[in-house]
Amino acid sequence: ETGVTQTPRHLVMGMTNKKSLKCEQHLGHNAMYWYKQSAKKPLELMFVYSLEERVENNSVPSRFSPECPNSSHLFLHLHTLQPEDSALYLCASSQYLAGVSSYNEQFFGPGTRLTVL
Amino acid sequence: GENVEQHPSTLSVQEGDSAVIKCTYSDSASNYFPWYKQELGKRPQLIIDIRSNVGEKKDQRIAVTLNKTAKHFSLHITETQPEDSAVYFCAARDTGSARQLTFGSGTQLTVLP
Repeated sequence: ETGVTQTPRHLVMGMTNKKSLKCEQHLGHNAMYWYKQSAKKPLELMFVYSLEERVENNSVPSRFSPECPNSSHLFLHLHTLQPEDSALYLCASSQYLAGVSSYNEQFFGPGTRLTVL
Repeated sequence: GENVEQHPSTLSVQEGDSAVIKCTYSDSASNYFPWYKQELGKRPQLIIDIRSNVGEKKDQRIAVTLNKTAKHFSLHITETQPEDSAVYFCAARDTGSARQLTFGSGTQLTVLP
């Protein structure tokens, strides 16, 4: 797959584990996003990065810790998660963080299916 | 913040019929409304979008309408085909610092052959 890739695609972890999700975009974009997708719920925006700086943190619990070392890579570090954190975690990127009067399509990765036991 | 409501949650239509999915939003300052299609086991993909200075946009069998006064927008799919079966998400983008997208809860569309 090209565009936006995510690894791993599936992850099972215990509540005391520490793991990381990785996202990589090959589109030359400058903005990256983490979303959580739970069954029967809207996509929830978790974090937004623009030019490697975090610009939004939507009241996400501290057990989720993002990292953006460069404009092509985005990580989500996980520790002491709860079973209710089980979900599909989607990464997305866009060319820029859209301006007030400009619009940028977000391209999604395939997601990581996370199960917390 | 923005709140987006989407209806219906599930929709079944016969092949060849039309399908309509409706969304409402709360923030009158929102100015961009994309629609994403997510097939089973695949990533969401943008299928059409509309900006607040336009009332309607059409792309082949897909059209989107926007009523800014009522703060609602709709997706219309005509001549539906089995490959249109998927979950469709509407979204509204606010004008805050991150210009983030707030998504609706999704509509599972099933096109029956």
